[in-house]
Amino acid sequence: GAGVSQSPSNKVTEKGKDVELRCDPISGHTALYWYRQSLGQGLEFLIYFQGNSAPDKSGLPSDRFSAERTGGSVSTLTIQRTQQEDSAVYLCASSSLLRGGGAFFGQGTRLTVV
Amino acid sequence: DQQVKQNSPSLSVQEGRISILNCDYTNSMFDYFLWYKKYPAEGPTFLISISSIKDKNEDGRFTVFLNKSAKHLSLHIVPSQPGDSAVYFCAAQGNTGNQFYFGTGTSLTVIP
Repeated sequence: GAGVSQSPSNKVTEKGKDVELRCDPISGHTALYWYRQSLGQGLEFLIYFQGNSAPDKSGLPSDRFSAERTGGSVSTLTIQRTQQEDSAVYLCASSSLLRGGGAFFGQGTRLTVV
Repeated sequence: DQQVKQNSPSLSVQEGRISILNCDYTNSMFDYFLWYKKYPAEGPTFLISISSIKDKNEDGRFTVFLNKSAKHLSLHIVPSQPGDSAVYFCAAQGNTGNQFYFGTGTSLTVIP
């Protein structure tokens, strides 16, 4: 497709389980971002990939969170030993290097930890 | 520490009138500012951006104003339409990287 695709759209998991969230960015976009939005909060930066450079992981809230981007395209965000405070909408976005061109977001994955 | 702030969580405006959404930032190294619109159950959609070398950018009914000395920007929507009802996020991009810093959003309701 032409846009950013995320899967699954919804995920309910038990506390303590691991989850994987997937993002397919727009073809040709070298930058990929993960954000999350908790209830009533803004968008919280998690991690940023740019080409073959080392990712900016400064936003990951704990070592239970990790992400990888294979072949400069698809990205997977993994949350280990999920906690209830991990419940949020996880948003992936991609962009070209054009400054000011904005990032294009997927529809998000709503994660609920019960 | 929130580097981009939207102090109004909500705003209601009559259809046809002007909507003004405000945003403040703290980091003088930001060089691009963007506005996004978000409907429920969808990802944010890019609306309009402005470079720090400009003070105004217009696109149809949407105009963004930047006041660098005050570290303040605003989005004007005129005339407002019911379909504009959504959450609007302000974002900023630094000149040392491509990370976007987002505000907490303002929920706009345009009343028919």
